This record gives sequence, structure tokens and C-alpha cells, in this order.
Amino acid sequence: DVKVTQSSRYLVKRTGEKVFLECVQDMDHENMFWYRQDPGLGLRLIYFSYDVKMKEKGDIPEGYSVSREKKERFSLILESASTNQTSMYLCASSLWGTGSTDTQYFGPGTRLTVL
Amino acid sequence: GESVGLHLPTLSVQEGDNSIINCAYSNSASDYFIWYKQESGKGPQFIIDIRSNMDKRQGQRVTVLLNKTVKHLSLQIAATQPGDSAVYFCAENISNTGNQFYFGTGTSLTVIP
Repeated sequence: DVKVTQSSRYLVKRTGEKVFLECVQDMDHENMFWYRQDPGLGLRLIYFSYDVKMKEKGDIPEGYSVSREKKERFSLILESASTNQTSMYLCASSLWGTGSTDTQYFGPGTRLTVL
Repeated sequence: GESVGLHLPTLSVQEGDNSIINCAYSNSASDYFIWYKQESGKGPQFIIDIRSNMDKRQGQRVTVLLNKTVKHLSLQIAATQPGDSAVYFCAENISNTGNQFYFGTGTSLTVIP
């Protein structure tokens, strides 16, 4: 079974803090994704990565950055957290590389609250 | 982004009945679809997928139907159980856009014992 883990289930941070969300997958997947999920809006793609040290902006990258130093780990960084970044953050991974399509498997999510 | 929507935001069914959850998509170039189940406080869980060269696919107690003519997708759950209570949403992938998906907002299914 594919396993995607996220470092925290719940986080509470203050405005202006730097926040790191970590995601690890154990199935040697090439693709990794970060989404945020808000009521009534569904999942929105923040950033994704097709390979180590490679990243691409999704639909809502503003205020976020990412890091992929190892194939199994994809980090989402909030350089200076703001209250409008309070959300559920979901990490996902999938098997194939660019141009292919495969199922995305999700982690359990991190519920971030910014005060 | 693409518009992927659901006809009904909430659905209540009696335990043992069949459930049907619908999804509309707008891009005729979409060629791969996934249904996810998300329980409260958890991440989305893959249920079943279907590619555009098929119109029906069956899993354990679940069936997905794809009607490309009207750009409509449905998830049928047979003999619905209390453990099926969750939010269900569909995701579509548009051909040649790589591994990016567009997600619907979800339908909340409540199973009444």
C-alpha cells in the first residue's frame, strides 16, 4: 500500500512566523503535490514537483515556497504566515513522470491555524 | 482552472439502500477521472478510477459510470453502510496536462441507520 505521511496533524502558528510542513512518501513516486482545502472551494493546487530539486507553481503559489531535496520528501514553506493561510493542507504523490497520468494518493492532512 | 462540480452538495440515504453521487465536468479533453472519499479529519482516499475509453467500471460495492456525451460522471454505492458516510468528490485530468487534477467541491453523504 502507498503511504503518504505528513509531519503534523494540527499546527497553530502566529502571524509572521515561518512554517514548515513536511510530507514523505514511501513508494518511490516521482510526483508530489501540495494542496490546500477550504470549505466550498475544494482542493486547490499550490505547488508540485516531478523530480528532485524540480518544482512548478500550481494555481495558488503566492505566499508559499517548496523544497524537494530528496525524492521521498516534499516540504511546503510559509515564509511569513498570515491568517488567510489558515486551512487544511494536503500532500499527495503519484507514480509517473511528466506527461503521464496516474492516481494521486493523499496524506492525512495538516490543519494549520494562523492566529 | 477547470470547473468540476457536483449536482447535490448533500445526500442522505437509509442504510442498505443504494447511493448515487453525481459529478459534471466541462472539458471534453478530460480523459481520466477519480472518485475520492474523505472522512472527517482525514485525507482523501482513492475509491475508483475510470479512463475515457470506458463507460463503466466496477469495484467492491462501487460502480463508476462515465457519460462523455453529456460530460457526466457518477459513483454508485451498493448497500450503503454507516461507514460510507463521508464527503465524496471527483477529480478530472485533462489530456496532455501532465499529472495535474482538478477537483470538485464534494458531496456529503450521510447514511441513516
